[in-house]
Amino acid sequence: DAKTTQPTSMDCAEGRAANLPCNHSTISGNEYVYWYRQIHSQGPQYIIHGLKNNETNEMASLIITEDRKSSTLILPHATLRDTAVYYCIVRVTDSGYALNFGKGTSLLVTP
Amino acid sequence: DTEVTQTPKHLVMGMTNKKSLKCEQHMGHRAMYWYKQKAKKPPELMFVYSYEKLSINESVPSRFSPECPNSSLLNLHLHALQPEDSALYLCASSQGYRGTDTQYFGPGTRLTVL
Repeated sequence: DAKTTQPTSMDCAEGRAANLPCNHSTISGNEYVYWYRQIHSQGPQYIIHGLKNNETNEMASLIITEDRKSSTLILPHATLRDTAVYYCIVRVTDSGYALNFGKGTSLLVTP
Repeated sequence: DTEVTQTPKHLVMGMTNKKSLKCEQHMGHRAMYWYKQKAKKPPELMFVYSYEKLSINESVPSRFSPECPNSSLLNLHLHALQPEDSALYLCASSQGYRGTDTQYFGPGTRLTVL
């Protein structure tokens, strides 16, 4: 699976959009981009995934660049409950098994 | 519903004890996973069961023994653990094992080995 690079930490004011970047410059054509988050001492929570096109669900939006070398997770109106570690993960489509979490980005949402 | 349940939430055991962690899902998923997460580190895969058969063992010591009694249940039997095995143990499940099959995680069991 391709490696990912994320900033170690980010801050965001409550009510503002949180934009979390991820670099995956070695991604292959058959690899999906997945985002999970982990609130302190809880199990990781699935957020969203995509292959080429931008995706949106009730939690977030995923913007993938045209060359697929980077992506951005957008939380449109961050709340204090969005404070968590966010993991960007690249997975091969036809085989999967382990999620290689990497170090993730620690997002702090402040009042 | 994407719920994976794990029991117990917390477990304290001595190095000579035998204990078991339990995981359950009712989503009809056919792949189930055990991950281990040390403090301030990302989760790391331990075992994968696919269609109730052990598919992957990531060189985990034999003091950890997984079991999949049926398609909804996954156990992790613990024996003669060491203090360094203290960690958050996470169970996950997915429809299949392809990269497009989203894994859903339980809340974890916080294990402390004295």
